Amino acid sequence: GAGVSQSPRYKVTKRGQDVALRCDPISGHVSLYWYRQALGQGPEFLTYFNYEAQQDKSGLPNDRFSAERPEGSISTLTIQRTEQRDSAMYRCASSLAAWGAPIDTDTQYFGPGTRLTVL
Amino acid sequence: AQKITQTQPGMFVQEKEAVTLDCTYDTSDQSYGLFWYKQPSSGEMIFLIYQGSYDEQNATEGRYSLNFQKARKSANLVISASQLGDSAMYFCAMREVQGGNNRLAFGKGNQVVVIP
Repeated sequence: GAGVSQSPRYKVTKRGQDVALRCDPISGHVSLYWYRQALGQGPEFLTYFNYEAQQDKSGLPNDRFSAERPEGSISTLTIQRTEQRDSAMYRCASSLAAWGAPIDTDTQYFGPGTRLTVL
Repeated sequence: AQKITQTQPGMFVQEKEAVTLDCTYDTSDQSYGLFWYKQPSSGEMIFLIYQGSYDEQNATEGRYSLNFQKARKSANLVISASQLGDSAMYFCAMREVQGGNNRLAFGKGNQVVVIP
């Protein structure tokens, strides 16, 4: 079946502009995650949802970052007033299991990412 | 504090040889999961293999196997019979179960180049 999809794949924006990054998870997956990956580093957790509920947003770096998943499927990560330090690969992942479910069922599958460049 | 440590420099491996990628982790939880992902130059993150902390057997998945040494807190990935398509960055990650936190903590990755 179809994997996790993200759009746009590349986004170039000017400092101070707002950007919205979209994630479409694997059909039927309950949990959705956002990560950010700097060059030469592993992904770092930003936030995650079970269905439409945002369960953990402790990884969001500041209040310019927000995320929503209003119908429990597609999610949008929004960055307001972008800064150059926001430039990175933003990755979305989804997993089948809900919060508290056995760990064995909770493999996270990643989308291709959105490469954000802030000029 | 760094939860996942991957410190090997870039590795070159001959095609058809085996390669071991080191990963050590830090946790006080009794229940946790360890994952390995592959990131080729195209940028995708591809799930390879999973090991649960209570699993007594080392996980295997085709040419991938995980050498899990719980007392040493290490979860090394072994790729057997390397192929040119194995050239990629490999990330080790851990999920801790305590508190129901589903986040993955990743290491910085191991770069592997397979040479013919």
